[in-house]
Amino acid sequence: DSGVTQTPKHLITATGQRVTLRCSPRSGDLSVYWYQQSLDQGLQFLIQYYNGEERAKGNILERFSAQQFPDLHSELNLSSLELGDSALYFCASSVGNLGEQFFGPGTRLTVL
Amino acid sequence: QQQVKQSPQSLIVQKGGISIINCAYENTAFDYFPWYQQFPGKGPALLIAIRPDVSEKKEGRFTISFNKSAKQFSLHIMDSQPGDSATYFCAASKQPSGYSTLTFGKGTMLLVSP
Repeated sequence: DSGVTQTPKHLITATGQRVTLRCSPRSGDLSVYWYQQSLDQGLQFLIQYYNGEERAKGNILERFSAQQFPDLHSELNLSSLELGDSALYFCASSVGNLGEQFFGPGTRLTVL
Repeated sequence: QQQVKQSPQSLIVQKGGISIINCAYENTAFDYFPWYQQFPGKGPALLIAIRPDVSEKKEGRFTISFNKSAKQFSLHIMDSQPGDSATYFCAASKQPSGYSTLTFGKGTMLLVSP
């Protein structure tokens, strides 16, 4: 168990809908990262937050957004969902801005 | 543009054998190279990592070999066990930039047969 928690574990929704994925980092970790894992694209970095501020952006679509709250938990919002958004979404955390990232168990999103 | 290329895509090794997974990178600014292990239904977990100032790092049965001039690094699993059956990802990042965002290879599914 990495200490990173993600909810929900599974999410099934329809195209055009909006969902929110939640992540709680390990105690003491200030950085949160979001990754998308799909069969064809592999693990892709989406976005990083450090102590509430956005620090880095990867291949994140404009339909997706994220934030980190004062208690350091983070939410990833996915809107206008498309079939191709079906994937595993992982959250990871690290103590600072650098160093080892600990991954959560993921949220499996299925868009029908 | 795929910045980290990983091979093979899948690998079957007999118990007790050596598993070798290779990765090549393009960005010479990368300076941190971790390997992650992922079991079905779980998130990736850091296995071992190396920085380019050393050519090899060993932790138990797992060894990373690093060739800076060739921009390649590899994971060797000695005395492979059925419990090692998992998907392995290499990754790279540019730590001095202040960000540790990871660029992953596409993964290698390892099956160790009993």
